[in-house]
Amino acid sequence: GAGVSQTPSNKVTEKGKYVELRCDPISGHTALYWYRQSLGQGPEFLIYFQGTGAADDSGLPNDRFFAVRPEGSVSTLKIQRTERGDSAVYLCASSSGTGPPYEQYFGPGTRLTVT
Amino acid sequence: GQSLEQPSEVTAVEGAIVQINCTYQTSGFYGLSWYQQHDGGAPTFLSYNGLDGLEETGRFSSFLSRSDSYGYLLLQELQMKDSASYFCAASSRRNTNAGKSTFGDGTTLTVKP
Repeated sequence: GAGVSQTPSNKVTEKGKYVELRCDPISGHTALYWYRQSLGQGPEFLIYFQGTGAADDSGLPNDRFFAVRPEGSVSTLKIQRTERGDSAVYLCASSSGTGPPYEQYFGPGTRLTVT
Repeated sequence: GQSLEQPSEVTAVEGAIVQINCTYQTSGFYGLSWYQQHDGGAPTFLSYNGLDGLEETGRFSSFLSRSDSYGYLLLQELQMKDSASYFCAASSRRNTNAGKSTFGDGTTLTVKP
């Protein structure tokens, strides 16, 4: 079956602009995660959804970052007033959502470059 | 805060056994996962330990000791394709939700012929 997909694969934007990154999880997966990864580092947790609600958004770095999952499937990560420090690969993952996060399936990521 | 420590690099030869250690400090710790990531690729799940002890999955095994806040990934019969970055990730509980995963910075494994 289809895995986790993310669009766009690459996004170049100017400092100060607004961007939206989209994630399509595996069908039926109730849990969805957003991470960002910089070169040479591990994925950094941003937010976790269980269904439509954000169960844990403690990783969002500031109020410029916001994520939604209105119908419990597709999710959008929104970044306002982008800064050069936001440049990274943004990863989305989904899991079945039952119990602990045993196995997260990651998408290919969106490489965001802020110039 | 929450943090995980793992070695930055490990080198081994084909056919050998290598162990990648991970120590963690995580509030509300629930379990430890291991992921593999090849250059330019997405992380892929290898193993999860929710209880103390050893979990075996083919050539890969993972171990957890909650009392020592320590785990390791054991890779046997190394192959060239095992050259990749390996991440340990601690899952933790916030209120009643178990879902947040904190990743280490990864261990780059280089397998030589």
